[in-house]
Amino acid sequence: EIVLTQSPGTLSLSPGERATLSCRASQSVAKNYLAWYQQRPGQAPRLLIYGASSRATGIPDRFSGSGSGADFTLTINRLEPEDFAVYYCQQYAAWSTFGGGTKVEIK
Amino acid sequence: QVQLQESGPGLIKPSETLSLTCNVSGGSINNYHWTWIRQPPGKGLEYIGYIFYSGSTNYNPSLQSRLTMSLDTSKNQFSLKLTSVTAADTAVYYCARGYISGIDSWGQGMLVTVSS
Repeated sequence: EIVLTQSPGTLSLSPGERATLSCRASQSVAKNYLAWYQQRPGQAPRLLIYGASSRATGIPDRFSGSGSGADFTLTINRLEPEDFAVYYCQQYAAWSTFGGGTKVEIK
Repeated sequence: QVQLQESGPGLIKPSETLSLTCNVSGGSINNYHWTWIRQPPGKGLEYIGYIFYSGSTNYNPSLQSRLTMSLDTSKNQFSLKLTSVTAADTAVYYCARGYISGIDSWGQGMLVTVSS
């Protein structure tokens, strides 16, 4: 099983700042089958990024994904109020597992 | 745009079987991985497994012995059964649609509580 470790656990930032979230896998993720999701309180997760760097339909371009192998990053430029939420990474190359999440909170 | 909706009992007793159904509307159930994910209160996401439109399944190894998924293409529905539940199975259960482009559609989620 591929274990995903997300860091930091909590990120305290102000609107307009940039958020950089990390997702590290216990082994290489084949074909970069790595996705990122946003979950707001009381809502289902929403797909942001798939294939490590492809934005899902309707996702603003301030969200970007990068990385390969075992190290991946989600960057959110110019944080908007609605971006304060919990973010999860998921690998779907070998079975499927989720990271523990990073909470982006208002500073 | 495809929509998914979970249904089933919200409260079940320990040792009973959890049964949930997901209704898919606005799109065909052909293709895709029809997926179940759960989230214990205040915790992260756990991938339960999926059933492919062909009927083949792939289950979380930690749940495999208690888990059955099925698909009814005539009703555009898929289902989950989890036997011998305990309090540890208390969670919000999501049905979703996934494939190589990630999990792109989710139901709203349904809280299932295991308690006597």
